[in-house]
Amino acid sequence: DTGVSQNPRHKITKRGQNVTFRCDPISEHNRLYWYRQTLGQGPEFLTYFQNEAQLEKSRLLSDRFSAERPKGSFSTLEIQRTEQGDSAMYLCASRAFSSNTGELFFGEGSRLTVL
Amino acid sequence: EDKVVQSPLSLVVHEGDTVTLNCSYEVTNFRSLLWYKQEKKAPTFLFMLTSSGIEKKSGRLSSILDKKELSSILNITATQTGDSAIYLCAVGEGFGNEKLTFGTGTRLTIIP
Repeated sequence: DTGVSQNPRHKITKRGQNVTFRCDPISEHNRLYWYRQTLGQGPEFLTYFQNEAQLEKSRLLSDRFSAERPKGSFSTLEIQRTEQGDSAMYLCASRAFSSNTGELFFGEGSRLTVL
Repeated sequence: EDKVVQSPLSLVVHEGDTVTLNCSYEVTNFRSLLWYKQEKKAPTFLFMLTSSGIEKKSGRLSSILDKKELSSILNITATQTGDSAIYLCAVGEGFGNEKLTFGTGTRLTIIP
């Protein structure tokens, strides 16, 4: 296991379509995070899980966004009825709850373009 | 609203120069400040700072936190072209830094 894996790496879709991204965290990490990054901005927090429990969601996460981590391992982020404003890089990160460095290990992201 | 502000937004220097990047923050439940380096891929962790005045160092990079001034600096000495990247500052809140609030980053370009 070499790190956090995300797929697809790129997704181009038409407005109104649904898209789903998958994140496979580092295997021993029980905390998993989703962030969104637009051009020229830092990542923005969306939500995080401890094991299978979703513990916090940002107000940025509209009703069209849903995230799951059903077995406490991989996670999916689904965006329904995509809008052009959803175009961004979606970053997943993970860490062990017991970690005392605070370091999040980020995946390389899934870039979404909504036409 | 929590805010993290980085300056300068962009910096171009020659190889061998020393640079100082700045980060200031306003957050309600500060726990730590983190620095990340982002090239074309995922952000990679550099430092986490929780105590004021204690310098963290890794090779040519060093960082220090000033909780009185609500700020931090990241220094890079003897810069190399491989240091070209966006440097992100983030502030962690909650017991385990569950939520990171990031600044917009400083884009550093090193000219050979």
